[in-house]
This record gives sequence, structure tokens and C-alpha cells, in this order.
Amino acid sequence: QKEVEQDPGPLSVPEGAIVSLNCTYSNSAFQYFMWYRQYSRKGPELLMYTYSSGNKEDGRFTAQVDKSSKYISLFIRDSQPSDSATYLCAMRKDAGNKLTFGGGTRVLVKP
Amino acid sequence: DGGITQSPKYLFRKEGQNVTLSCEQNLNHDAMYWYRQDPGQGLRLIYYSQIVNDFQKGDIAEGYSVSREKKESFPLTVTSAQKNPTAFYLCATSRVPDTEAFFGQGTRLTVV
Repeated sequence: QKEVEQDPGPLSVPEGAIVSLNCTYSNSAFQYFMWYRQYSRKGPELLMYTYSSGNKEDGRFTAQVDKSSKYISLFIRDSQPSDSATYLCAMRKDAGNKLTFGGGTRVLVKP
Repeated sequence: DGGITQSPKYLFRKEGQNVTLSCEQNLNHDAMYWYRQDPGQGLRLIYYSQIVNDFQKGDIAEGYSVSREKKESFPLTVTSAQKNPTAFYLCATSRVPDTEAFFGQGTRLTVV
């Protein structure tokens, strides 16, 4: 079993809809959680970073962490065709430690 | 212009050859990482380095080698011992003890 699980998709939504993404993990030592967006043939771009449990909002993006359930989520409001990409979750145990990634979810936002 | 530069963008290798992928950064970050990405899969860690002249194996280090002689540079050599080297290779950096990692644009290696 992988340490971090993520549904590969694709997840197809109409423009303007809310995109809901999530990851589950098995290692309770993870404390730092990140979401990356990756366009085809490009390097991942950091979208959101959260520490421990709670919510964080940045523009159209909201990240949630529920450590008791070992579950993290990313919500994208008012989705745009330019949001079509692969979204990767990542997490680490402490500062300076290696990142462990989920497999990524491909998202398609249709005009 | 600050950032992480990976070169070349595309690389073709004949079987049995060693090739070296370049990663240079001017962000003054201490830690540097190499990841491999296969189609439809997440990123797997090959090697990482937190300080100059020191590096550690990641999850899939076999068939790869690295060096960290300068803070700015962390080249990755894909040796002939790597049996399935065709993949997308990504270099990342982070400040220590900060936790976010930032990525270069990747090198796509194809064995021909």
C-alpha cells in the first residue's frame, strides 16, 4: 500500500464549477502538506501549503487538513479552463525531510 | 532572473551510455532534490542533498549518482546500470528548515 493515495481521475467539470480533490495517507507523522499544479510537460508549481490540521484559503483555492482522518483536500472555486492540469498532493514529516507525493489527479475544466 | 534551471529540456541516450542532467539554482536554497516521474504516476525521490558535499539516497537511487560540490549545482548522472531510464526528471530546491519545495521545468530523457 502506498503511503499517499490519490485518485488519478480524470475529473471532468464544467467551467465555473467547484473542483474537489483529496488525498489520504497512512503515516500519522506527516505534518506539512502541500498541493502542486502540474501542466503537461512542465515542472510542478506550488499552490498551497498547510501545517497540521485546519483550513487555508488563497484566492479561489482552499486547502483543508484533517489529521485525525489522515485526509487532505483542495477545493477550486469558479473553475476555469486554465485550471485543467494534474494536481499533486505532497507531504513531509518535518522541515528538511523528503517530500512524499501522491500519484496526482488529472482535472479537465470544460468551457 | 531567479529560479531553478534544468538542462537540457530533452535528452536522448543510447543504451549503455551514461548521461548527466544539469540542475542549477540561484535561490540560495540549501536543499536540492532529484525526482523521477513516469507517465500517470507521482514523483519518486532519487537523491537529495541538504548541504554541500553531502547527499542521501532516496527511494529509487539504484542506477543513479549525484554530486554536490557547489551550493548552486546538483547534477544527476543516469548510469548504464539504470535499466529503465526513460522518464521525466525533476529537480527541486527548498530552504532549510522551510518546508516548501520549488521545482525546475524538468528534463525528458528517452533511451533510443
